[in-house]
Amino acid sequence: GAGVSQSPRYKVAKRGQDVALRCDPISGHVSLFWYQQALGQGPEFLTYFQNEAQLDKSGLPSDRFFAERPEGSVSTLKIQRTQQEDSAVYLCASSLGQGVGAFFGQGTRLTVV
Amino acid sequence: QKEVEQDPGPLSVPEGAIVSLNCTYSNSAFQYFMWYRQYSRKGPELLMYTYSSGNKEDGRFTAQVDKSSKYISLFIRDSQPSDSATYLCAGNTNAGKSTFGDGTTLTVKP
Repeated sequence: GAGVSQSPRYKVAKRGQDVALRCDPISGHVSLFWYQQALGQGPEFLTYFQNEAQLDKSGLPSDRFFAERPEGSVSTLKIQRTQQEDSAVYLCASSLGQGVGAFFGQGTRLTVV
Repeated sequence: QKEVEQDPGPLSVPEGAIVSLNCTYSNSAFQYFMWYRQYSRKGPELLMYTYSSGNKEDGRFTAQVDKSSKYISLFIRDSQPSDSATYLCAGNTNAGKSTFGDGTTLTVKP
């Protein structure tokens, strides 16, 4: 594909609902990152995959957050029992190398009501 | 205190002006420094990145890094209304994640 694709673009979830956010990285990109961006702030790191291996999940805010990339391409970020504080834009990025100069998708805007 | 600090602005300049955007950082392990541009309701778009200290030029954009003072700058020459966006600086240790500032919002008025 031409770029990083994320779906859905917008998601409204009721508090307590589980959500799954999808990321299709640029073909051939080894590294994949998830970031969380609150309004008026910069992206905050959540987790990092190199191929199918999750090398860093230090940014996941709680055990309600889970990410996977089982075949080393598409990734899913799952949030269980969503809370209002989970409302944010979730950005996916991919790169050939270890994250320098990563390309971002358009993000999924999650609103928890 | 955040690892990467940016003046949030907003910054408003007339078309054609030279714009200077600045960041400071505290992590001495950063080796790469990046500038992203983010339009409203879009993902960040990579403008350029530099390795260690020095300057890098790409068209109307020049990035400067001074590791001794932990200072990062982006200069935009002949600014255009289409440059109106939020500019994010970031540092990377080349071990995966990037650490971002909170962005400076720029408006270029015709």
